[in-house]
Amino acid sequence: NAGVTQTPKFQVLKTGQSMTLQCAQDMNHNSMYWYRQDPGMGLRLIYYSASEGTTDKGEVPNGYNVSRLNKREFSLRLESAAPSQTSVYFCASDIKRVGTMGYNEQFFGPGTRLTVL
Amino acid sequence: DAKTTQPPSMDCAEGRAANLPCNHSTISGNEYVYWYRQIHSQGPQYIIHGLKNNETNEMASLIITEDRKSSTLILPHATLRDTAVYYCIVRVASDDKIIFGKGTRLHILP
Repeated sequence: NAGVTQTPKFQVLKTGQSMTLQCAQDMNHNSMYWYRQDPGMGLRLIYYSASEGTTDKGEVPNGYNVSRLNKREFSLRLESAAPSQTSVYFCASDIKRVGTMGYNEQFFGPGTRLTVL
Repeated sequence: DAKTTQPPSMDCAEGRAANLPCNHSTISGNEYVYWYRQIHSQGPQYIIHGLKNNETNEMASLIITEDRKSSTLILPHATLRDTAVYYCIVRVASDDKIIFGKGTRLHILP
């Protein structure tokens, strides 16, 4: 299993350019997430998808759009990049473990380091 | 907003136990306590979770107070590789979202 994979690993954009960050998981997880992490800060949730065909806003959705293409893939799009979107972007997926605990464990990808000039 | 409060940083000597505190005074009865850590530049990694009872796994122990308003993550024999930011999170098992706070930056001193 590759787990959660993200492409690209690094990207530099100019203000106003658009791009799509790709994320895929091979663990048959229902839920997928996009976070951003600014220097010295914790992770902030941008969007998430509880299941194929559904998406919901997180803490900081402005300036982003998402697509849950199928169960495996969840993409994040920046339509018009701004310097404030310079950050590290992490994708994650989630399994709801059925049992006495019923807990969720999120698995994270390696991140995409995005710089907007 | 994150429902937990953690110290911004802590130091621990290599080989000693690292005890990371977390306050979650508004935790609800059906919310679990989770701990994740993030080693520099990597994605966060799940460590342990608990509801009421103390828990132990191969990575750490989790001690939850009887009133569940605080907890402590214990790394029994800290190594340099445990240097990371540790996040304490409370979450309902059925909840789809995790809200991360700023965590505790743990420095392991040689």
